[in-house]
Amino acid sequence: NAGVMQNPRHLVRRRGQEARLRCSPMKGHSHVYWYRQLPEEGLKFMVYLQKENIIDESGMPKERFSAEFPKEGPSILRIQQVVRGDSAAYFCASSSTDNRNQPQHFGDGTRLSIL
Amino acid sequence: GESVGLHLPTLSVQEGDNSIINCAYSNSASDYFIWYKQESGKGPQFIIDIRSNMDKRQGQRVTVLLNKTVKHLSLQIAATQPGDSAVYFCAERNQAGTALIFGKGTTLSVSS
Repeated sequence: NAGVMQNPRHLVRRRGQEARLRCSPMKGHSHVYWYRQLPEEGLKFMVYLQKENIIDESGMPKERFSAEFPKEGPSILRIQQVVRGDSAAYFCASSSTDNRNQPQHFGDGTRLSIL
Repeated sequence: GESVGLHLPTLSVQEGDNSIINCAYSNSASDYFIWYKQESGKGPQFIIDIRSNMDKRQGQRVTVLLNKTVKHLSLQIAATQPGDSAVYFCAERNQAGTALIFGKGTTLSVSS
């Protein structure tokens, strides 16, 4: 029973480069959420996707950040022209339905470091 | 607005003691709450959840209490073990039902 899988676990980029973070939800889950966590803080919501659709992107910066969840393959969080402030842990979660009372299950995150 | 907070950033207990971790929330319309445990280098791990139509829910060694009158949530861990050492977060579902709103976390340290 594979849980939510994220890769890479660690990613180092130089300022101005692109970062691509991948997330495969739990088997049978079609709802994916991305969160960002800064050191010593709680997780902050970024975006919620279902297959091929962005449902809520209210927590995602308007520039440089994008997310997708294609019909086939993992969900991708893409950060273009990274800056030092993008350094954080990025977590993906999935759920089986959009029912308000279903827990989200998290992966172990991608730690992004910007040099 | 929607915000979730915790009363104490750290809690230290002895092995075998009971632990109580508290959380206050501000949105009286919130209807679903979750507790997560996060160990170093890992993602949040689901512990227990509770809907607003309940005031108590029990799991294995854990109990969540919800007091809607004062907008307070607590997590009780019975017979705390060293393996319980972690950061604990409460979270509430936002009104749109699309995201979780996390508090800052309480670091639980269990000494033998």
